[in-house]
Amino acid sequence: RKEVEQDPGPFNVPEGATVAFNCTYSNSASQSFFWYRQDCRKEPKLLMSVYSSGNEDGRFTAQLNRASQYISLLIRDSKLSDSATYLCVAGGRGSTLGRLYFGRGTQLTVWP
Amino acid sequence: DGGITQSPKYLFRKEGQNVTLSCEQNLNHDAMYWYRQDPGQGLRLIYYSQIVNDFQKGDIAEGYSVSREKKESFPLTVTSAQKNPTAFYLCASSVLRTGTGDSNQPQHFGDGTRLSIL
Repeated sequence: RKEVEQDPGPFNVPEGATVAFNCTYSNSASQSFFWYRQDCRKEPKLLMSVYSSGNEDGRFTAQLNRASQYISLLIRDSKLSDSATYLCVAGGRGSTLGRLYFGRGTQLTVWP
Repeated sequence: DGGITQSPKYLFRKEGQNVTLSCEQNLNHDAMYWYRQDPGQGLRLIYYSQIVNDFQKGDIAEGYSVSREKKESFPLTVTSAQKNPTAFYLCASSVLRTGTGDSNQPQHFGDGTRLSIL
C-alpha cells in the first residue's frame, strides 16, 4: 500500500473555476503535511504546509482530516498559471522521521 | 542567494559506465535527499543523509551509491549495476527538525539532472 494516494486526474477547468484535490495517507502517526507544485519538467516547489486547523494562503486553502486520514487542497478563482501537477506529501514518524512521502500528483490544466 | 545546485543539467551514460551527479547546498541544512522521478510517476527516494558521514538507503537504493563528506555536498553515483538509469534525478535538502518536537520540515529541491543512456 502506498503511503500517499492521489487521484492523478487530469482535472481540466476554466479560468475562474474552483477546484479541489484530495489525497489520503496511510500512516496515522504522520504529523507533517504539505502540498507541492510541480511544473512540467521542473522541480517540485513547496506550495504550502497543511496545519491541523486548516490554513489559507490567498486563493489556496488546505485542510487536514485526521480521523479519515485525508488532506485536501482547494484552489479558488483558478488562473492559467495554476496549471501544474500538485503533489500531496506526508511526513514519516519514528524510524522514518525525516522522510517525506510524496503522492504521484494530480494534474491540473486551467483553460481560458 | 541560498539554494541547492545540481549539476550537470543533462547527462548521458554509456553502458558499463558509472556517472556521478553533483548536489551542493548553501542553506546550512542538515538533511539531504536523492529522488528519482520517471515520466508520469511520483518521486522515489534513493538515499538520504541526516548528518555528515552517515546516510540511509531509501526505497530504491540498488545500483546507486552516495557519500556525505561535507554538510554542503551529497553526490550520487549511478553505477553500471543500475540497468535502467534513465530518469529525472532530484536532490533536496531540509532542516532536520525544529525545537518544538517531532515534525518533518519541508524539503527544498534543486532543479534536477536528466540522465539518459547512450
